[in-house]
Amino acid sequence: DAMVIQNPRYQVTQFGKPVTLSCSQTLNHNVMYWYQQKSSQAPKLLFHYYDKDFNNEADTPDNFQSRRPNTSFCFLDIRSPGLGDAAMYLCATSSIGGDSYNEQFFGPGTRLTVL
Amino acid sequence: QKEVEQNSGPLSVPEGAIASLNCTYSDRGSQSFFWYRQYSGKSPELIMSIYSNGDKEDGRFTAQLNKASQYVSLLIRDSQPSDSATYLCAASGGYNKLIFGAGTRLAVHP
Repeated sequence: DAMVIQNPRYQVTQFGKPVTLSCSQTLNHNVMYWYQQKSSQAPKLLFHYYDKDFNNEADTPDNFQSRRPNTSFCFLDIRSPGLGDAAMYLCATSSIGGDSYNEQFFGPGTRLTVL
Repeated sequence: QKEVEQNSGPLSVPEGAIASLNCTYSDRGSQSFFWYRQYSGKSPELIMSIYSNGDKEDGRFTAQLNKASQYVSLLIRDSQPSDSATYLCAASGGYNKLIFGAGTRLAVHP
């Protein structure tokens, strides 16, 4: 089945220790997104890639970086995690163009804990 | 600031009843609208998409869109305890983005 995969599902890191979260997709979608979601809040868009074009949200902290080495993979790097970065990190994909209407499909998420 | 507003709930309905979830959006330029279901600790799952004014039905789910009133709703017929979840409403926000509401928590009790 075509899907969006995130690894790891759970990540524990120490304050200030860099961490990388990964996302892969078999949907062949041209857009990939990273969201941060905290309890009882809406998913907050951090950035997205339209093909290779990187689009950063204005309020995304510099502490967050992303890489998309190819169509299938996308990574979220948190350079110096703080306690406030503990959250669920969601990867989503979408096919933009033609008759598509930006339906976004989410991976299972990575729950990040910062000690 | 583009926004999507939802009542946080909880909306409590008895098993077998119709659950009615509502949201409003601020951007008149939004063209597509989505409902996601999110179980506690899980990721959002797309359950309905709607692009035109009127109703769209899929099984027990009906999405309703009124662009003049900037209003989207989701009806769940014959509600089941397994429908208990948070329902996120989202509207297209331009530049390949979606604007999400904070969600309405639905509780279906036996």
